[in-house]
Amino acid sequence: QQQVKQSPQSLIVQKGGISIINCAYENTAFDYFPWYQQFPGKGPALLIAIRPDVSEKKEGRFTISFNKSAKQFSLHIMDSQPGDSATYFCAASMNNAGNMLTFGGGTRLMVKP
Amino acid sequence: DAGITQSPRHKVTETGTPVTLRCHQTENHRYMYWYRQDPGHGLRLIHYSYGVKDTDKGEVSDGYSVSRSKTEDFLLTLESATSSQTSVYFCAIPAPRRSANTGELFFGEGSRLTVL
Repeated sequence: QQQVKQSPQSLIVQKGGISIINCAYENTAFDYFPWYQQFPGKGPALLIAIRPDVSEKKEGRFTISFNKSAKQFSLHIMDSQPGDSATYFCAASMNNAGNMLTFGGGTRLMVKP
Repeated sequence: DAGITQSPRHKVTETGTPVTLRCHQTENHRYMYWYRQDPGHGLRLIHYSYGVKDTDKGEVSDGYSVSRSKTEDFLLTLESATSSQTSVYFCAIPAPRRSANTGELFFGEGSRLTVL
């Protein structure tokens, strides 16, 4: 039973395009939603995160959109670059749960030059 | 450089043999975590520790044990490895300069284990 479902599993985007990755969660006790980026041979690294009291957070070319009523959140990568090619994971955690994260299944993004 | 050191980085072993993976941190953090990464499943929590000798189970703890005798070291043991435990194992700590309960983790570079 996967509490955080992520789609698509893989994504190919042309350079300059917009990459969109979607996640849905079930547990309404989740209150922190980070995205992690992972390059081959490396550990995941925190990219951007949002709490449910805001509907959108933007950092550079990366934006999280959050829909609390639908229990969905998404990552948008604007002006996608070949260097963005990586695997992206959405995740969720609960306050006072000791930083334990529940991850989505991951999306492998390839940005073509 | 902040961190986490995992060892070994790569290991091939045979079914039924014991395996121990080591995670060493230099951040002196109370919390440490072991995750496994498998295609389509993302990362799943195996065990975590909230202090020396204080550990608890995660989502996929069957077949694994852990020990934490020092703040800086967290060991993951497969008592009798099986092919289903072929995976990449990641150790994590709360992000440096962050308290627990922020949901921000800093991951090591992983240990790739193959069980034949």
